[in-house]
Amino acid sequence: DQQVKQNSPSLSVQEGRISILNCDYTNSMFDYFLWYKKYPAEGPTFLISISSIKDKNEDGRFTVFLNKSAKHLSLHIVPSQPGDSAVYFCAASSRDQGAQKLVFGQGTRLTINP
Amino acid sequence: NAGVTQTPKFQVLKTGQSMTLQCAQDMNHEYMSWYRQDPGMGLRLIHYSVGAGITDQGEVPNGYNVSRSTTEDFPLRLLSAAPSQTSVYFCATSRGGNYGYTFGSGTRLTVV
Repeated sequence: DQQVKQNSPSLSVQEGRISILNCDYTNSMFDYFLWYKKYPAEGPTFLISISSIKDKNEDGRFTVFLNKSAKHLSLHIVPSQPGDSAVYFCAASSRDQGAQKLVFGQGTRLTINP
Repeated sequence: NAGVTQTPKFQVLKTGQSMTLQCAQDMNHEYMSWYRQDPGMGLRLIHYSVGAGITDQGEVPNGYNVSRSTTEDFPLRLLSAAPSQTSVYFCATSRGGNYGYTFGSGTRLTVV
């Protein structure tokens, strides 16, 4: 069973507009959530995270929103830039299971069109 | 400062062969993990370690062995390679808490 799901395999957005990537989870014990960005032939790189005690975290053009009641998080990128074209993974962990045992979604390929 | 170094970058094995994927880090991180990435599956945890001498299984441990004799190194051994182990393998390290992982650049393994 997939505990973390990214239901959109791909997303195409025009440069300068907002990109919204979505992620759903089923395990109510998850209390920490992260987004990673991955370019081809490279390892994932950490982008932004959020603790379950918050509902929003911002870092420059990137904002993550967490809706615990819906078990849903989203990553907003504003404005989108060509360099943002990559695969984005959301990940979750729980203190009980060990904060380092990240569970990843399937990934969403974001393409920013000029 | 190399971060997380994985070797080799590419490998082709025949079914039944064994090999070791190497992972070395110079960040003095206590936590290290191995993940595999398959199309449509995201990254799945194979094994992890919370410090030298301590390892545990992740989500998909079958067919893989690990050991952690030093803080710096965390090799992943395939005992008898199978085509189902064709994948991209990532090693990752963390200093713990909620700091997330730093990933290596990956090893692309093909088993024929």
